[in-house]
Amino acid sequence: EAGVAQSPRYKIIEKRQSVAFWCNPISGHATLYWYQQILGQGPKLLIQFQNNGVVDDSQLPKDRFSAERLKGVDSTLKIQPAKLEDSAVYLCASSLDRWGQYTEAFFGQGTRLTVV
Amino acid sequence: AQKVTQAQTEISVVEKEDVTLDCVYETRDTTYYLFWYKQPPSGELVFLIRRNSFDEQNEISGRYSWNFQKSTSSFNFTITASQVVDSAVYFCALSGGLDSNYQLIWGAGTKLIIKP
Repeated sequence: EAGVAQSPRYKIIEKRQSVAFWCNPISGHATLYWYQQILGQGPKLLIQFQNNGVVDDSQLPKDRFSAERLKGVDSTLKIQPAKLEDSAVYLCASSLDRWGQYTEAFFGQGTRLTVV
Repeated sequence: AQKVTQAQTEISVVEKEDVTLDCVYETRDTTYYLFWYKQPPSGELVFLIRRNSFDEQNEISGRYSWNFQKSTSSFNFTITASQVVDSAVYFCALSGGLDSNYQLIWGAGTKLIIKP
């Protein structure tokens, strides 16, 4: 079974530039998550999709971050414009069940973003 | 409010020693799930175990074992005869119901260093 795919693996941009990350979840998984993980901290949920609808985006900085999940499969996360404090690893995960709390989430390898 | 506490920031042991990683949680939900994930230096979060709140049986998987005690709200993880490959950051997480808005709440992680 193929895992969660993310690209790119690494990205370096200057502040105020824009950047986009892509995620392809495990086939058949209804729930998709984007997490931000700052070095030395646990993952912080940015947004959770169930199929192509948003379940929770309460911690997404909506003035600069946006995300979409087209046709309930692939997802993109965009930052525009980027700030220095956005430097982090962005993790995508997916899980099988409707709400995501009953089964484990599977994670991609993440995108390490450095904003200079 | 839901909370997961991993009080040990970093643990360092010599190979073949046993080591226990502590996890204490808070929740008002009667139904909830607890998870452990491993994050090796490569960065990908790897699922280790899921336990629901109605199952207090301890679990053993090879050198790994988990002790779930509702009376003390703890879900501790023990590695027996540790190996260098066990070096990683380990996260405990809690998934509840309505009280947590169905979110997965993460601890801050414990960095485990196994010295040869």
